[in-house]
Amino acid sequence: EAGVAQSPRYKIIEKRQSVAFWCNPISGHATLYWYQQILGQGPKLLIQFQNNGVVDDSQLPKDRFSAERLKGVDSTLKIQPAKLEDSAVYLCASSPGLTSSYNEQFFGPGTRLTVL
Amino acid sequence: DAKTTQPTSMDCAEGRAANLPCNHSTISGNEYVYWYRQIHSQGPQYIIHGLKNNETNEMASLIITEDRKSSTLILPHATLRDTAVYYCIVRLSGAGSYQLTFGKGTKLSVIP
Repeated sequence: EAGVAQSPRYKIIEKRQSVAFWCNPISGHATLYWYQQILGQGPKLLIQFQNNGVVDDSQLPKDRFSAERLKGVDSTLKIQPAKLEDSAVYLCASSPGLTSSYNEQFFGPGTRLTVL
Repeated sequence: DAKTTQPTSMDCAEGRAANLPCNHSTISGNEYVYWYRQIHSQGPQYIIHGLKNNETNEMASLIITEDRKSSTLILPHATLRDTAVYYCIVRLSGAGSYQLTFGKGTKLSVIP
């Protein structure tokens, strides 16, 4: 079974530029999560989708971050404009969904963003 | 979700058992204890979870105290590949997509 795919794996941009990350969850998984992991800390949830609807985006800095999952499969996370403090690893995870009793999250390898 | 407390770091000799403690004194009756680990440059990986009984799978064993205020993750024969950050998380389980709230975890170093 293929895992969660993310691209790119690494990205370096200058502050005030824009950047987008892509995630392809495990086939059939209805729930998709984006996390931000700053160096030395545990991952922090940014947004959670159930199919193509947002379940929780309370920790997403909406003035600069946006995310979508238009067809309920792939997802993109965008930052515009980027700040120095956005330097982090952005992790995507998926799980079977709200109606499944087995609901562990499976994580992708992450995208390491460096903002200069 | 209840908070957890873990040591910042631990060392373990290769081939020995690694015992990683976690305190969760405010856990409620319907909350499970989950363990994930994160190997360098990878995403977190699920290890095991339990409610009140001890659990064992191919990766590890989970021992939960009778009062459920603390637990221990046991890696029976640690290898160099077990070097990682281990996260203890308390969350609801069952149907539903209950969120994971990560702390800083325990950095386990397996020494040759």
